[in-house]
Amino acid sequence: DQQVKQNSPSLSVQEGRISILNCDYTNSMFDYFLWYKKYPAEGPTFLISISSIKDKNEDGRFTVFLNKSAKHLSLHIVPSQPGDSAVYFCAASGTSYDKVIFGPGTSLSVIP
Amino acid sequence: DTAVSQTPKYLVTQMGNDKSIKCEQNLGHDTMYWYKQDSKKFLKIMFSYNNKELIINETVPNRFSPKSPDKAHLNLHINSLELGDSAVYFCASSQPGTGIYEQYFGPGTRLTVT
Repeated sequence: DQQVKQNSPSLSVQEGRISILNCDYTNSMFDYFLWYKKYPAEGPTFLISISSIKDKNEDGRFTVFLNKSAKHLSLHIVPSQPGDSAVYFCAASGTSYDKVIFGPGTSLSVIP
Repeated sequence: DTAVSQTPKYLVTQMGNDKSIKCEQNLGHDTMYWYKQDSKKFLKIMFSYNNKELIINETVPNRFSPKSPDKAHLNLHINSLELGDSAVYFCASSQPGTGIYEQYFGPGTRLTVT
């Protein structure tokens, strides 16, 4: 039973354009959401997060949007750079949870 | 300075053997985790320790035994290895209770059982 879903296994974007990665969750108890980035042969690294009391959080080129009613969040990368090519994991947790639940990941390729 | 380190990075062994993976963090975090990334690339939590105490123990075969000698170390021992244990194992740490849920991951250990 997947509580965090990333329905696009892969995404290709031209350098300089916007990358939009999507994530859906099923458990309304989640109130904290995170995005991790993973390069091959490395561990995931934390990218950006958002609390359920917000609907947007921005950090440089990265913005996460949260739509609680739709149980949907998205990560926008603008402008996309070749170095952004990696697997992006969406994750969820919360005050009622003692663990973080990860989605299956979306592999982003930014084409120069 | 590596925040979360794991050894070894690669481990190739035969079925039936016993092996250990070591993890150390120098972030001063109270909580450490073991995750398994299977062939479908899902990251699934196996165990979590807080200050040397086991707090999460997912449905993992009891051939897997974590050991935390101190809060900076969490080792994973696997007995009687099976083909299905082949995966990448990640150690992670965090400092929960502060409203911050970010976890810091090690580089992973790729275990191949032949």
